[in-house]
Amino acid sequence: AQKITQTQPGMFVQEKEAVTLDCTYDTSDPSYGLFWYKQPSSGEMIFLIYQGSYDQQNATEGRYSLNFQKARKSANLVISASQLGDSAMYFCAMREGPGGFKTIFGAGTRLFVKA
Amino acid sequence: ETGVTQTPRHLVMGMTNKKSLKCEQHLGHNAMYWYKQSAKKPLELMFVYSLEERVENNSVPSRFSPECPNSSHLFLHLHTLQPEDSALYLCASSQSSGGDYNEQFFGPGTRLTVL
Repeated sequence: AQKITQTQPGMFVQEKEAVTLDCTYDTSDPSYGLFWYKQPSSGEMIFLIYQGSYDQQNATEGRYSLNFQKARKSANLVISASQLGDSAMYFCAMREGPGGFKTIFGAGTRLFVKA
Repeated sequence: ETGVTQTPRHLVMGMTNKKSLKCEQHLGHNAMYWYKQSAKKPLELMFVYSLEERVENNSVPSRFSPECPNSSHLFLHLHTLQPEDSALYLCASSQSSGGDYNEQFFGPGTRLTVL
């Protein structure tokens, strides 16, 4: 059965420093997609970055990068040069099989950026 | 209006009431989703509609009834709810296209309180 694990309930980071949010996953499907979403206190989930299981290179989107280690089944999110506006909940998610619709989410990590 | 909108943003209802949540997407997507987000629990997928047909129904109690009249609108009809149904209900949409893993775009959510 597919599963997403985020072991860090909360993380603190100093403004302008980098932070890594951990995510491990479990699936028996060779084809899957991994996502990270940000949820500010306003409630809306915001898509950040995507990694496909067959992608050879780690995904990057601006200050966000995904450290994809397929053999270890981990997909950690790295945020560089943290900003106060990065304080939010961060969710790792996975969808199996191309064209599938079912996405499962991890429990989330709350990130606090300190000035 | 842009993106995904949800109304109402807040709803308080008694256990005997009937109410409906509305979601509208302005992105031209062909798949829409309902999620439930409870405190201290991962995001739970409730229903998925693709091309106005229900493709996922995750063992949701019958007191929740979805409706998708067209590809831009999604409703969640509520009746005889329980206090444990109090949660944030998020709507999302995506473009489903064969073998791609397209990200979901979320609305701001409806905060539901059942008394």
